[in-house]
Amino acid sequence: EAGVTQSPTHLIKTRGQQATLRCSPISGHTSVYWYQQALGLGLQFLLWYDEGEERNRGNFPPRFSGRQFPNYSSELNVNALELEDSALYLCASSPLMEQFFGPGTRLTVL
Amino acid sequence: AQSVTQLDSQVPVFEEAPVELRCNYSSSVSVYLFWYVQYPNQGLQLLLKYLSGSTLVKGINGFEAEFNKSQTSFHLRKPSVHISDTAEYFCAVISNTGFQKLVFGTGTRLLVSP
Repeated sequence: EAGVTQSPTHLIKTRGQQATLRCSPISGHTSVYWYQQALGLGLQFLLWYDEGEERNRGNFPPRFSGRQFPNYSSELNVNALELEDSALYLCASSPLMEQFFGPGTRLTVL
Repeated sequence: AQSVTQLDSQVPVFEEAPVELRCNYSSSVSVYLFWYVQYPNQGLQLLLKYLSGSTLVKGINGFEAEFNKSQTSFHLRKPSVHISDTAEYFCAVISNTGFQKLVFGTGTRLLVSP
């Protein structure tokens, strides 16, 4: 069974640009979660999507947004990038409460 | 709201020695508990979970953890570590009142040396 996949593996942007990160969940999982792992800040919850709807949101500004498609894959968009957005972004999918993580997308903002 | 405390940021240990990584949590509601491992430049891999039932939980790679409700702890143990166990370990909780976000501890780096 294929695990959670994320693309791209690495992404380099400059301040002010927009970044789009993608996630494909494990087949059959309807929930997708996004987390940010920034140096010194630990793992922080960003967004939760289930059945195409945003269900919960962490303490992040509105320039962090996303969506979930009918096939349950998801996209995270970060607008007006700032230097502190540099982090590993992890996606997880879940059938219920157990979450399975992808390898992450390393975003670097210059 | 929930919070997780991993008191040890780094634990050095020699190969084949036992190890315990500590995790304490705080929550006003019942929670499910998890331990994840992160190898360098990789995502998180689930080691083990406590949902209900026996308080001693066995996971992958020889790890086990014990849920102690009175002490609100969920410490991770391994009787004999290998060099390959060198990684970052995260304790996490999730409220059982809804399928919401995982709340993570700050992580413990396990350093296994020969």
